[in-house]
Amino acid sequence: DAKTTQPNSMESNEEEPVHLPCNHSTISGTDYIHWYRQLPSQGPEYVIHGLTSNVNNRMASLAIAEDRKSSTLILHRATLRDAAVYYCILRDGGYSSASKIIFGSGTRLSIRP
Amino acid sequence: GAVVSQHPSWVICKSGTSVKIECRSLDFQATTMFWYRQFPKQSLMLMATSNEGSKATYEQGVEKDKFLINHASLTLSTLTVTSAHPEDSSFYICSAPGTGGSRKTQYFGPGTRLLVL
Repeated sequence: DAKTTQPNSMESNEEEPVHLPCNHSTISGTDYIHWYRQLPSQGPEYVIHGLTSNVNNRMASLAIAEDRKSSTLILHRATLRDAAVYYCILRDGGYSSASKIIFGSGTRLSIRP
Repeated sequence: GAVVSQHPSWVICKSGTSVKIECRSLDFQATTMFWYRQFPKQSLMLMATSNEGSKATYEQGVEKDKFLINHASLTLSTLTVTSAHPEDSSFYICSAPGTGGSRKTQYFGPGTRLLVL
């Protein structure tokens, strides 16, 4: 699997936007960029994914660089409940049922009240 | 959205006993499920892939005789930690891939915290 690089930790203020970066310089043409997050003492949950174009959903936005070697997860207005570890993961577009997810170390996001 | 449940949510056992953890896909079928282990302050580590109707596939370094996996039906996979020891104390999480339009998404259970005394 292609590797991703994320900062170990980030801190932000409540009600402000948060930009979480991810580098994936060895991404292949068929890799989708996925983001999951893990709240304290819970299993991970899906946040968003994309291939080339920027994506928006109710949780976040995903901005993908034109060369696809990096991406940024954007939380538009952080709340205390967004404090979690955020994982940036590359997944091949085949998506067979046996397609496993290998987690990196992620970014631990802290939110200041 | 799809829901994956785990039971129990936490368990305390004595060293040397076996513990079974269940993972269920509640509103969808899963021919494949995945088991992860997570130690405090660390990331999730994939242990094995559970396959309905066939043997599980274990990741390198994971003892298959210690971590028994049975995928009994299209909605249930179980992980049994045999002869548990204190070093097996961890947070165990399962996941299952979505189906149809949600096949790009993995759905994770809430986790089972195991403490071996």
